[in-house]
Amino acid sequence: DTEVTQTPKHLVMGMTNKKSLKCEQHMGHRAMYWYKQKAKKPPELMFVYSYEKLSINESVPSRFSPECPNSSLLNLHLHALQPEDSALYLCASSTPSYNEQFFGPGTRLTVL
Amino acid sequence: AQSVAQPEDQVNVAEGNPLTVKCTYSVSGNPYLFWYVQYPNRGLQFLLKYITGDNLVKGSYGFEAEFNKSQTSFHLKKPSALVSDSALYFCAVSKGNFGNEKLTFGTGTRLTIIP
Repeated sequence: DTEVTQTPKHLVMGMTNKKSLKCEQHMGHRAMYWYKQKAKKPPELMFVYSYEKLSINESVPSRFSPECPNSSLLNLHLHALQPEDSALYLCASSTPSYNEQFFGPGTRLTVL
Repeated sequence: AQSVAQPEDQVNVAEGNPLTVKCTYSVSGNPYLFWYVQYPNRGLQFLLKYITGDNLVKGSYGFEAEFNKSQTSFHLKKPSALVSDSALYFCAVSKGNFGNEKLTFGTGTRLTIIP
């Protein structure tokens, strides 16, 4: 299995909702990442988990809460989001042997 | 701080012609350099990387890139463009600190191959 999967593909939520994005990889990678990508812009790093521990938080607002329950799973919990949080959320994983990050297809999030 | 510049927002190339997508970088120490491609409403696909070794790196789908340390450049090239190469291309740089690695992307270059 050489892919990163993300669910759901699309998500529409209100500003008072609580939802979660899920990312899964079975490549044995021990680093996992969340990125946010606005239309026609490059991905922006949000969080990095290394060996299931949070190693980088790029000053992301607390309405985004990451979780890494095990080495294969990465969640992003969403609460009280704003319309400007609408974007494509990308998950990635990597391993020291290959250096490059492998990206999932993303979740397209719309906040109403 | 590390950064990447992609000076061209848009590159148009006729099918069958060679293509070049430009990238320059700034990072302290030795750079880890990457090219990714993104098709509409999709995630990023890895094309190639430079970590160390030969300055000419070959990657997926016939793409290659040349690392030039003196010019701090890592331009993406392909000898003969295909219509299917039309996509958004991102150059990226990191310091390679696994587990504490920040991958910084350029602003992207939209490549259009004209039949």
